[in-house]
Amino acid sequence: DIQMTQSPSSLSASVGDRVTITCRASQSIGNYLNWYQHTPGKAPRLLIYAASILHSGVPSRFSGSGSGTDFTLTISSLLPEDFATYFCQQTYDNTYTFGQGTKLEI
Amino acid sequence: QVQLVESGGGVVQPGRSLRLSCAVSGFTFTYYTMHWVRQAPGKGLEWVAAISYDGSNKYYADSVKGRFTISRDNSKNTLYLQMNSLRAEDTAVYYCAREESGYDFAFDIWGQGTMVTVSS
Repeated sequence: DIQMTQSPSSLSASVGDRVTITCRASQSIGNYLNWYQHTPGKAPRLLIYAASILHSGVPSRFSGSGSGTDFTLTISSLLPEDFATYFCQQTYDNTYTFGQGTKLEI
Repeated sequence: QVQLVESGGGVVQPGRSLRLSCAVSGFTFTYYTMHWVRQAPGKGLEWVAAISYDGSNKYYADSVKGRFTISRDNSKNTLYLQMNSLRAEDTAVYYCAREESGYDFAFDIWGQGTMVTVSS
């Protein structure tokens, strides 16, 4: 099975900061990598698909990059509503594995 | 308005069964592969099961294979998850999600979730 490893598992930051979250796959997954934002009590929200394509309605301060096994999610200037947990996910095969999550805290 | 609404969660004893439902509205249900994803307390997201648009193909996580069954009724725009032989480790919020093949199979629409607690 494909394993997805995110780092860091938690991150303290302030409004206006630039932050980067990384996700590593245990084997090459091409560009089949997605990023989600999850806030307690809410439905997870798709931010980026195919490693770097911004989903409709997602602000441009979010960006994604990478291919193969190494991927990053960057938030260029944090707003208060960005403090949440972020998950990567591979859709390269039918196990649809998620990373363990990165909790972004103030 | 595109919407997924889960229901059927609750408290159940170990070894018992529960069926979750996900009512879909606002899009053509029959076009889409659908999924169940869960999040145990304090844990990350775990993919559980998937079903193709016509129900002909089903996929399961190893942790639920042989105990859970995913199904759909396209005439009722509803997705189901039949959960048998429940264990304490199945305690989680269960979400249904839509797969968008045009987005490299990303899950673009999610429900709010329904809580399942397995406890004696």
